[in-house]
Amino acid sequence: DAGITQSPRHKVTETGTPVTLRCHQTENHRYMYWYRQDPGHGLRLIHYSYGVKDTDKGEVSDGYSVSRSKTEDFLLTLESATSSQTSVYFCAISESQYNEQFFGPGTRLTVL
Amino acid sequence: GQSLEQPSEVTAVEGAIVQINCTYQTSGFYGLSWYQQHDGGAPTFLSYNALDGLEETGRFSSFLSRSDSYGYLLLQELQMKDSASYFCAVRDSYGGATNKLIFGTGTLLAVQP
Repeated sequence: DAGITQSPRHKVTETGTPVTLRCHQTENHRYMYWYRQDPGHGLRLIHYSYGVKDTDKGEVSDGYSVSRSKTEDFLLTLESATSSQTSVYFCAISESQYNEQFFGPGTRLTVL
Repeated sequence: GQSLEQPSEVTAVEGAIVQINCTYQTSGFYGLSWYQQHDGGAPTFLSYNALDGLEETGRFSSFLSRSDSYGYLLLQELQMKDSASYFCAVRDSYGGATNKLIFGTGTLLAVQP
């Protein structure tokens, strides 16, 4: 299995609070991605990174920001969490833009 | 807009063959991938088709017809452990970078004894 971990695995927070999710990889892959998964929507790309300090938006980026200061870590921040951001968040990595993506175990976030 | 259509649920019996279809409408297309996800787990990569035709990997095969914007995943000799959700995903580009995956909403496969 690809070495991807996500932390925390579960989190319950309140509306308006900031939340940061962490994705850590030991594969030295260049590309990293954040997705959210909701019933009826499949997986939707939030942001992705194609190198240290190089990030770009996905299809559902509003309300989220990301940072990548090291190859192995990709952080997803919800500056002010809303109930609509209750979801399961998956991180993924790929060696290049042409390779398959490997997914982390996911973080279940509940915003009350 | 961009959309992928796949059946929401499929039921089959152990040992049988099942086909999960996927039709897509996207602004760009670099290939069709399939992922498997067990309940509560992470999606795992199954197959990828960039060109028309059939790709076979063990009990699983995947087919692509770019002219029809259509693909399918074929699972043979079904086992109980194949009960999972299956997602098709188009590799598309936007913003100038490729390898952005657009996922379908998934097909829940239930394998019955």
